[in-house]
Amino acid sequence: GQNIDQPTEMTATEGAIVQINCTYQTSGFNGLFWYQQHAGEAPTFLSYNVLDGLEEKGRFSSFLSRSKGYSYLLLKELQMKDSASYLCAVMDSNYQLIWGAGTKLIIKP
Amino acid sequence: DGGITQSPKYLFRKEGQNVTLSCEQNLNHDAMYWYRQDPGQGLRLIYYSQIVNDFQKGDIAEGYSVSREKKESFPLTVTSAQKNPTAFYLCAGSTGETGELFFGEGSRLTVL
Repeated sequence: GQNIDQPTEMTATEGAIVQINCTYQTSGFNGLFWYQQHAGEAPTFLSYNVLDGLEEKGRFSSFLSRSKGYSYLLLKELQMKDSASYLCAVMDSNYQLIWGAGTKLIIKP
Repeated sequence: DGGITQSPKYLFRKEGQNVTLSCEQNLNHDAMYWYRQDPGQGLRLIYYSQIVNDFQKGDIAEGYSVSREKKESFPLTVTSAQKNPTAFYLCAGSTGETGELFFGEGSRLTVL
């Protein structure tokens, strides 16, 4: 079966750095997405990785290793507004998205 | 403003009633999707449509129905056959080029 694993919840301190991991086992691979979802709101797109390596976008970076079935989202200089759930999703060989359950990130002052 | 508009945002329904959730987009997206989100679970695909007058079942289509008569509109009907309909429903659109999804604000359905 297809599976996406990510931690259920993480806690970090304002101003610090946090890394949210995502491991996957899917039928084929056509890219990995990270979305941010604030409570009660719609997910919003953060990043897309299809090749190995690091993609940096401001305070957020996303890394992919296809051989290891592994990605992480790195958030720097954490702000209170970064408190949200972070969803990892993989596009399989049929171009369908397989979603992880999300990681709830709690930022403490 | 361009985007995906879902309505209503909150909906209460009695058991045995059908209810229709609206999803409208003005982004000119060919592909549209309906997802269900439950606590502790990933998004689950209900139905998707890649072109007008055509749609495909997702992983959990039982108890749901859709139509795609216009490119801009993709309504979802939650029928009385859906055994556990209380959930957060998300509509999304995509150009299909990169796979990036643009979501509506969601509709929270509660069955009393």
